[in-house]
Amino acid sequence: DSGVTQTPKHLITATGQRVTLRCSPRSGDLSVYWYQQSLDQGLQFLIQYYNGEERAKGNILERFSAQQFPDLHSELNLSSLELGDSALYFCASSPPSGGSTDTQYFGPGTRLTVL
Amino acid sequence: EDQVTQSPEALRLQEGESSSLNCSYTVSGLRGLFWYRQDPGKGPEFLFTLYSAGEEKEKERLKATLTKKESFLHITAPKPEDSATYLCAVQAMRDYKLSFGAGTTVTVRA
Repeated sequence: DSGVTQTPKHLITATGQRVTLRCSPRSGDLSVYWYQQSLDQGLQFLIQYYNGEERAKGNILERFSAQQFPDLHSELNLSSLELGDSALYFCASSPPSGGSTDTQYFGPGTRLTVL
Repeated sequence: EDQVTQSPEALRLQEGESSSLNCSYTVSGLRGLFWYRQDPGKGPEFLFTLYSAGEEKEKERLKATLTKKESFLHITAPKPEDSATYLCAVQAMRDYKLSFGAGTTVTVRA
């Protein structure tokens, strides 16, 4: 158990709908990262938040957005869902930045199925 | 853009048959190279971080090494419970995101 929690575990919805995925980082971690894992693309970085502020963006679609709240939990919002958005979505967290590498610890993921 | 290539894609081993996985990378300023293990439908589990060429780290039957262009994950005398997908990722100096390879799926038969 990494200490990172994600809800829900599974989500089944229809095209055009909107969903929210939730992540709680490990105690003491300030950074939250979101990744998407699909069969054809592998693990792809979406976005990073550090202590409530957006820090870095990857190949995140405009239909997707995220935020990190004062209690450090994060939510990933996916809207106007398409079949191709079906994937595993992982959240990871890392300790406060100290200048060296920050190991990221991954949650169990949310499996999104768009029908 | 950072690139990570893992080989082979799949590896089938007999219990006790040692082998190595390769991770070749291209990154502008390496901050760290990471190895993770992932079981089907689960989140990646952290194994090792390597920072500089020549560094080695060990954990049970696993040993990771790093050169300037590639990393190897050696599995010594594997057991069936070592069956998993092993992911390699690089982190560049300019940010903290991880760029992952496609992974090597290892199957160890008893």
